[in-house]
Amino acid sequence: NAGVMQNPRHLVRRRGQEARLRCSPMKGHSHVYWYRQLPEEGLKFMVYLQKENIIDESGMPKERFSAEFPKEGPSILRIQQVVRGDSAAYFCASSPRGRVEETQYFGPGTRLLVL
Amino acid sequence: AQSVTQPDIHITVSEGASLELRCNYSYGATPYLFWYVQSPGQGLQLLLKYFSGDTLVQGIKGFEAEFKRSQSSFNLRKPSVHWSDAAEYFCAVGALSNDYKLSFGAGTTVTVRA
Repeated sequence: NAGVMQNPRHLVRRRGQEARLRCSPMKGHSHVYWYRQLPEEGLKFMVYLQKENIIDESGMPKERFSAEFPKEGPSILRIQQVVRGDSAAYFCASSPRGRVEETQYFGPGTRLLVL
Repeated sequence: AQSVTQPDIHITVSEGASLELRCNYSYGATPYLFWYVQSPGQGLQLLLKYFSGDTLVQGIKGFEAEFKRSQSSFNLRKPSVHWSDAAEYFCAVGALSNDYKLSFGAGTTVTVRA
């Protein structure tokens, strides 16, 4: 039973390029959460998605960031025109039904470095 | 909105010694509390969680945590640390009102010396 998969594990981009981060939830999980961890800080909630729906994107910057979770395939976090401040670790988590009492299972993260 | 404070940024402990990591939360109602561990370059693994009932919660890897409502705390403890416990530890709080969103503390890095 594979856990949450994220790829790539490391991503280097130059300023102005696009970054695409992928997350495949655990089997049977239809709820996906993205968190960002800036250096020396805890994880900050970005967005919560169910299949084909964005439920809450209140933690995501209004510009340049977008997320999707299509009917088929992984969830994608997309950052356009990256800037140095986007350098961080981006974690994806999944759960079966989106309830707080459920464990959110985290992937290994994608570490984005913007040069 | 709920929030979490982990007062200790870094703790160094000798192998075999006891460990206690502090966590204070802010939330108006009964919170849902979690402790996660993150090894270098890895994702987060759940150690334990508290929702209700017995305020002393047992987790994996020999960890336990105690919920103290009067102190708004949820401190993590281990009686005897192993070198493999060196990692970063995060306390998180969830709330019934927005039941999917976890708020994390800034983390405590634990170094274990031989």
